[in-house]
Amino acid sequence: EAGVAQSPRYKIIEKRQSVAFWCNPISGHATLYWYQQILGQGPKLLIQFQNNGVVDDSQLPKDRFSAERLKGVDSTLKIQPAKLEDSAVYLCASSLWDSYEQYFGPGTRLTVT
Amino acid sequence: RKEVEQDPGPFNVPEGATVAFNCTYSNSASQSFFWYRQDCRKEPKLLMSVYSSGNEDGRFTAQLNRASQYISLLIRDSKLSDSATYLCAVNIVNAGGTSYGKLTFGQGTILTVHP
Repeated sequence: EAGVAQSPRYKIIEKRQSVAFWCNPISGHATLYWYQQILGQGPKLLIQFQNNGVVDDSQLPKDRFSAERLKGVDSTLKIQPAKLEDSAVYLCASSLWDSYEQYFGPGTRLTVT
Repeated sequence: RKEVEQDPGPFNVPEGATVAFNCTYSNSASQSFFWYRQDCRKEPKLLMSVYSSGNEDGRFTAQLNRASQYISLLIRDSKLSDSATYLCAVNIVNAGGTSYGKLTFGQGTILTVHP
């Protein structure tokens, strides 16, 4: 079974530029999560989707971050404009509708210079 | 107090040693608990769920102590390949008593097994 796919794997941008990440969850997984993981810390949830609806975006910095999952399958996360402190790994995870077991993609390592 | 706390370590142990990690959580209403393993520059991978009665998978044993609000992971007969960061994850229950599958992760405990 194919896992969670993410692209790109690496991205280097200058501050104030914009960037977008893409995620395709495991087939059949209704729930999709975006996490930010700063070096030395655990993953921090940014936003959670159930199908194409947002369940929780309380920790998403909405002045610069946005995310969508229009057709309830793949999702994009955008940062505009980026700040130095956004340098992190952005992880996408998915799970079945009624499960807490989350499966992660390989992540996108973002460096903001 | 953080919602989920782990001793960051690092734990440096020789091959064959037994090592244990704890993870404390603040929300007594939490019901689901997990241990994830994260190799350097890789994504977290689900290691095991933690059940009320405790559970074992080979050399790994996970336990839950609801009274003291912590979970533990015990690794017996450590292998070099066990070197990784171990993350605990706990479901978050909001004020309404629901959690919608949301997990909060600890910062991780670094384990290094040496020859």
